[in-house]
Amino acid sequence: AQSVSQHNHHVILSEAASLELGCNYSYGGTVNLFWYVQYPGQHLQLLLKYFSGDPLVKGIKGFEAEFIKSKFSFNLRKPSVQWSDTAEYFCAVNAAAGNKLTFGGGTRVLVKP
Amino acid sequence: EAQVTQNPRYLITVTGKKLTVTCSQNMNHEYMSWYRQDPGLGLRQIYYSMNVEVTDKGDVPEGYKVSRKEKRNFPLILESPSPNQTSLYFCASSFLRTDEKLFFGSGTQLSVL
Repeated sequence: AQSVSQHNHHVILSEAASLELGCNYSYGGTVNLFWYVQYPGQHLQLLLKYFSGDPLVKGIKGFEAEFIKSKFSFNLRKPSVQWSDTAEYFCAVNAAAGNKLTFGGGTRVLVKP
Repeated sequence: EAQVTQNPRYLITVTGKKLTVTCSQNMNHEYMSWYRQDPGLGLRQIYYSMNVEVTDKGDVPEGYKVSRKEKRNFPLILESPSPNQTSLYFCASSFLRTDEKLFFGSGTQLSVL
């Protein structure tokens, strides 16, 4: 069975700081990887996804993520955060050709103005 | 406007009183799914449906039922709710499969007393 771990539960940053959120998954086969974001009071939205090809994926709002197959990781990064990036971020994995999308426990990010 | 609509937004009920949370999508999506979100546990999949009359269990199906009689609707049924089902519930859909972008509803906050 696939599983996802997000090691940071809470992150507090100041504006303009760099952000990196860790995501590790366990599954031996080919996977599709996602980052979703949930802004306060809103539903989840897709930030970016990786299926194949270039392991460095660029998403919306200046976010990017790097797939490192040897480390089973898919960390999310943003070079300079803004107050509006305050949200909860979820990593998710789907075994290729599978029908289940498994989410990590989420990381709450608070960006102080 | 393309959307996933859940109702109600908030629901307070008592143990054992049957309830239904509705979910409807207007995008002609084939794949629909229900998740519950609990602090520190992220989103956990309850049930999913690949198409009309095709449903399958997710990771936490106990105590829940679903049906998919029409493509657009995917109600979640709690026959005899218990306090451990107090949670935030999200319905989601995608065109065909879980390796595609999921569109989420706004969520239903359920409290079982």
